[in-house]
Amino acid sequence: LAKTTQPISMDSYEGQEVNITCSHNNIATNDYITWYQQFPSQGPRFIIQGYKTKVTNEVASLFIPADRKSSTLSLPRVSLSDTAVYYCLVGVNQGGKLIFGQGTELSVKP
Amino acid sequence: DAGITQSPRHKVTETGTPVTLRCHQTENHRYMYWYRQDPGHGLRLIHYSYGVKDTDKGEVSDGYSVSRSKTEDFLLTLESATSSQTSVYFCAISEWDVGQPYEQYFGPGTRLTVT
Repeated sequence: LAKTTQPISMDSYEGQEVNITCSHNNIATNDYITWYQQFPSQGPRFIIQGYKTKVTNEVASLFIPADRKSSTLSLPRVSLSDTAVYYCLVGVNQGGKLIFGQGTELSVKP
Repeated sequence: DAGITQSPRHKVTETGTPVTLRCHQTENHRYMYWYRQDPGHGLRLIHYSYGVKDTDKGEVSDGYSVSRSKTEDFLLTLESATSSQTSVYFCAISEWDVGQPYEQYFGPGTRLTVT
């Protein structure tokens, strides 16, 4: 499975747009890119998934350049409740082989 | 939210005792997983199951065993608990097919302390 690299932590203020970039240089042709969110004392929760270009849902957008060696999770107008750890994963969930890295701890301040 | 429950939610036990954690799902998903989460290590896969009586090891399986006798239940056993197994344990479920990325749904977690 492709290894991912993302910032350990980020700070933001309420109302700002937050972009978290994940590097995955060894992504394979059939790999998808998936982001999970985890609040303290809870299990991770699926946010968004994509293969190429741009994906948008009610929570976030995911931008994937043509070479697919990186991806950017974009959270529009964050609020205090978006304070969480965000994990970038690359793979096709091969029967359980999801590998969670360290994640990015996002702190949103008033 | 996906129908996943874990029991117990909190447990304190002594070194050397056996401990069993239970994960129960109501979604009829084929795949079930056990992870542990520790500060500085993120989530690490312990064992997973791809069907009744079908299980396989993850990246940190030493000292753990699992069993799945019914689709809805996945048990994690610490055969002889050690302090290094103090952690938060998460169960997850998903479907899976070749080439198809399915999301995993996570349970609420079990906080285990081994003294």
